[in-house]
Amino acid sequence: GAGVSQTPSNKVTEKGKYVELRCDPISGHTALYWYRQSLGQGPEFLIYFQGTGAADDSGLPNDRFFAVRPEGSVSTLKIQRTERGDSAVYLCASSPRSNNEQFFGPGTRLTVL
Amino acid sequence: GQNIDQPTEMTATEGAIVQINCTYQTSGFNGLFWYQQHAGEAPTFLSYNVLDGLEEKGRFSSFLSRSKGYSYLLLKELQMKDSASYLCASSENMTTDSWGKLQFGAGTQVVVTP
Repeated sequence: GAGVSQTPSNKVTEKGKYVELRCDPISGHTALYWYRQSLGQGPEFLIYFQGTGAADDSGLPNDRFFAVRPEGSVSTLKIQRTERGDSAVYLCASSPRSNNEQFFGPGTRLTVL
Repeated sequence: GQNIDQPTEMTATEGAIVQINCTYQTSGFNGLFWYQQHAGEAPTFLSYNVLDGLEEKGRFSSFLSRSKGYSYLLLKELQMKDSASYLCASSENMTTDSWGKLQFGAGTQVVVTP
């Protein structure tokens, strides 16, 4: 596809479960970002990859959150022992270089019951 | 870190002009970005300012004053489809490869009425 894609579009899970959220960036984009957005708020930065490495993970709220990008393309955000407060829309964005416009995907709406 | 403030909601009439203000308090400020977000959709890029002054892109213009920590987005000839949330975002501490981390405000909901 031409844009950033994210799967699943919706994820409902129970408190304490493990979830994985996937992001497929635009082909050739080297920079990839994860944000999360709660209702009525702007996106909140989580982590940023340049290639395969995490260039900045200062936004991850705690050690239950982890993200990988093993081949420098697809990224997976992993959340362990989910809590109700993790419920939000998780947005992924990519850019051709880290100093270019970020293109956002449609997001994954995570609901923790 | 940075604090970004923008109004919660603004209402304007179709065909009119609306100005959305944004103030920021920053360390290592680099640039100011504006995004549009329709309900249930992803943010889409509108404009960015690195230097002081006005950037014009069709019906949308954005202004930045670095000394005042202030920006605004100007929407002209409003159309019904412009009803959306407008997000102000800043980047800080740019290096050769760390422009991209953005800090967003909560967004301004613009309601365009007939």
